[in-house]
Amino acid sequence: QQQVKQSPQSLIVQKGGISIINCAYENTAFDYFPWYQQFPGKGPALLIAIRPDVSEKKEGRFTISFNKSAKQFSLHIMDSQPGDSATYFCAASITAAGNKLTFGGGTRVLVKP
Amino acid sequence: KAGVTQTPRYLIKTRGQQVTLSCSPISGHRSVSWYQQTPGQGLQFLFEYFSETQRNKGNFPGRFSGRQFSNSRSEMNVSTLELGDSALYLCASSLFSGAGTEAFFGQGTRLTVV
Repeated sequence: QQQVKQSPQSLIVQKGGISIINCAYENTAFDYFPWYQQFPGKGPALLIAIRPDVSEKKEGRFTISFNKSAKQFSLHIMDSQPGDSATYFCAASITAAGNKLTFGGGTRVLVKP
Repeated sequence: KAGVTQTPRYLIKTRGQQVTLSCSPISGHRSVSWYQQTPGQGLQFLFEYFSETQRNKGNFPGRFSGRQFSNSRSEMNVSTLELGDSALYLCASSLFSGAGTEAFFGQGTRLTVV
C-alpha cells in the first residue's frame, strides 16, 4: 500500500520559473512532512519540513503548502535555477513512532537555462 | 563535522551469498535508519536502531537484518542474496528517535547481485 503518492514523476521548467510538486497521504497519524532533494550519486538531503499545525512554511525559494483536510501537501520552488535540477522526494512520519520515513515516489526536476 | 559514512561504496555479490554493509553516523547521533532505494520501488524503510535497540522494522523478509553497536555504528546484513536485492542502500543518522529530528543520509552503498 503506497501511503504517500507524489506527482508528477518528472517535470521540466525554464530558469526563473516555478516548480510545483504535489503529495497526498492516507495515514492521518502522520505528523511530520519533510521534503528531500537528491542529486545523482548522493544521498537525499533535507530541504524543508512542516508539521500539520502550520499551513505554509517558506525557506528562501522553497515553500511548503499543507492542506490537512485534503491530506495533501506541496513543494513550490520559486525562481528555479539549473542547480535545482535534482530528484525531490516528499516523505511523512509519525513522530511518536521513531524516525521511520515513508517516501513518495520522487519527482525528477530539470531546470533548463 | 564529519557526515554519515557508509562502507563500502560499491559491492558486487553472487546470488546466494551474504553481505554486510556498514554505517558510521554523525558523532553524537544515536539513531540509525536504513533504506533501500531502487528505480521500481523508490525509497523503502528497512529498520531503525536507537541506542542499540531496533525501534522500527519495515516490510522486508527476515533475510534483512541489522544491529547497532555501543558507539552507534550500525551494520546491516542480507543473507541468501537474490537478484532483486540489487539496490542503493542508504543509512540515515539522527540525533534522537522521533519528534521529527532531522535525518542525515550517507551516500549509500551500491549493491549489485549477479
